[in-house]
Amino acid sequence: IAGITQAPTSQILAAGRRMTLRCTQDMRHNAMYWYRQDLGLGLRLIHYSNTAGTTGKGEVPDGYSVSRANTDDFPLTLASAVPSQTSVYFCASSGELGDRGNNEQYFGPGTRLTVT
Amino acid sequence: QKEVEQDPGPLSVPEGAIVSLNCTYSNSAFQYFMWYRQYSRKGPELLMYTYSSGNKEDGRFTAQVDKSSKYISLFIRDSQPSDSATYLCAMRTQGAQKLVFGQGTRLTINP
Repeated sequence: IAGITQAPTSQILAAGRRMTLRCTQDMRHNAMYWYRQDLGLGLRLIHYSNTAGTTGKGEVPDGYSVSRANTDDFPLTLASAVPSQTSVYFCASSGELGDRGNNEQYFGPGTRLTVT
Repeated sequence: QKEVEQDPGPLSVPEGAIVSLNCTYSNSAFQYFMWYRQYSRKGPELLMYTYSSGNKEDGRFTAQVDKSSKYISLFIRDSQPSDSATYLCAMRTQGAQKLVFGQGTRLTINP
């Protein structure tokens, strides 16, 4: 069982270029999330999807877009990268809210993106 | 002001020490409280989960929630070098899928 996979592991990207970060989960979780992690700022939610076909904006959505065509995949696209988007990006997923509401989020290994 | 505040550290302690990690929050509607552990260049992993107020113990780890003070803590007893990691608190409201994370505290246990 792989859990969550992300690709690429790392990338150096020229400013202005378009980039799609890939995320795939094999746990059949309904909800998926994209975070960015920056020193001193912790994990900040970019976009999320509660179920296939729906998406929502998180805390820092500007400059990013997502789609959720099926349960397993949740790609994150930077339409025109800027240096402030240099960060580590984590994809996560969670299942149904169970008894007492525990919905553990499982995280992928991350993508290190540098925009020059 | 951020909804969840966490001292980013870094915190460095000798092996065997008791470690206390803390977060404060402002949203009284938070009901579910979590601690995630993140090793260097890895994704976060759930370490402890607590619903509402009270204590929860799991081996050397104890999670404590004080809703009246809007304060949560993670205690690590008999700390080991393998506990060296960044610890993130996270919380959410009833019925919400989204988590709100603290900034994370980087902890180093020195042999």
